[in-house]
Amino acid sequence: AQRVTQPEKLLSVFKGAPVELKCNYSYSGSPELFWYVQYSRQRLQLLLRHISRESIKGFTADLNKGETSFHLKKPFAQEEDSAMYYCALMSSNQFYFGTGTSLTVIP
Amino acid sequence: KAGVTQTPRYLIKTRGQQVTLSCSPISGHRSVSWYQQTPGQGLQFLFEYFSETQRNKGNFPGRFSGRQFSNSRSEMNVSTLELGDSALYLCASSLGQGWSGELFFGEGSRLTVL
Repeated sequence: AQRVTQPEKLLSVFKGAPVELKCNYSYSGSPELFWYVQYSRQRLQLLLRHISRESIKGFTADLNKGETSFHLKKPFAQEEDSAMYYCALMSSNQFYFGTGTSLTVIP
Repeated sequence: KAGVTQTPRYLIKTRGQQVTLSCSPISGHRSVSWYQQTPGQGLQFLFEYFSETQRNKGNFPGRFSGRQFSNSRSEMNVSTLELGDSALYLCASSLGQGWSGELFFGEGSRLTVL
């Protein structure tokens, strides 16, 4: 069965420090993985998808099939990165979301 | 381009009542999916409609139902409300076919069941 696990409910880092939000998945095929973000008083929106291998707002995420992980990383956290982050897996047009990690960047 | 619109934004119901929520997708989007968002469970998938057909359904009881109209607008209905149904209900639209996987979310309908 498809499942997405985000082990950290809350994560706090200081401004300028590296940040890593963990995501693990279980899926039998080739996964399509995404990170969605919800900033305060804004809608949930796509941050990045693994197939495009892009860096958005300084964030990157590498798919590690061996470890079934898709961790989100940024080398230097900014205050505007404070938000709720959801890892998601898409299978047959259906999305499976993790429970989310609330990131707080301390000035 | 107008975003996904959900109505009503807030509503309060009592146990046993029923509720209908509406979602208007982005123009040209044929897929609408619904999610229940709660602090402890995150986003849980309810169902997805594409061209008026339910393509996928999550693990929710039959009290939760939905439909999609020919203009792609969608409604979801919850009957015999329970206290545990209190949540933010999010709707998302997408192209639904040959697409990149991006969902466009509405602001949600916050349901409180007393």
